[in-house]
Amino acid sequence: DTGVSQDPRHKITKRGQNVTFRCDPISEHNRLYWYRQTLGQGPEFLTYFQNEAQLEKSRLLSDRFSAERPKGSFSTLEIQRTEQGDSAMYLCASSGGTFNTEAFFGQGTRLTVV
Amino acid sequence: SQELEQSPQSLIVQEGKNLTINCTSSKTLYGLYWYKQKYGEGLIFLMMLQKGGEEKSHEKITAKLDEKKQQSSLHITASQPSHAGIYLCGADSNDYKLSFGAGTTVTVRA
Repeated sequence: DTGVSQDPRHKITKRGQNVTFRCDPISEHNRLYWYRQTLGQGPEFLTYFQNEAQLEKSRLLSDRFSAERPKGSFSTLEIQRTEQGDSAMYLCASSGGTFNTEAFFGQGTRLTVV
Repeated sequence: SQELEQSPQSLIVQEGKNLTINCTSSKTLYGLYWYKQKYGEGLIFLMMLQKGGEEKSHEKITAKLDEKKQQSSLHITASQPSHAGIYLCGADSNDYKLSFGAGTTVTVRA
């Protein structure tokens, strides 16, 4: 296993279109996180899963955003009716089952809404 | 939620010189994580600190967590061009998810 992988690395879309990103975590990790990062800022928490259960969603995650993790393996993050303000780097991370273990991040998906 | 303030926001250092980055939390830290990020890429885990007074080193990078567990520092000795990047501190506020500071951009001049 080579780590957390995200696909695509870059996405340019027109305003109003839907986009979907995929994250494949490290195989033995049961926690999976989604973060959003804009230029000059640290990553902001969006949501996280323990296995297939989505345990918490940030207020940043509007109704246009939905995340899934079927079967507790890979995860998808969908943004419907994209807006220019959605342009950001979307980062996925995974961590092991015990409390206070480090999270490993993927390379991110850079979304540009034009 | 946990709020983290990093200082300085950016710094430029001559190759071979030392540098220190600070991270201050508004709440007690249950776990403090340091990451490095190259522009446009993901975060690379550097170190995790949990106990007050704890200090860890890896190659030329040393991180410390103060006794009261509300401040951490990252020190790089004899900086090299490979140390350039954005350094981020992340805090675990006892609920599994990490909150991050805004980052410190390090530039190393040859």
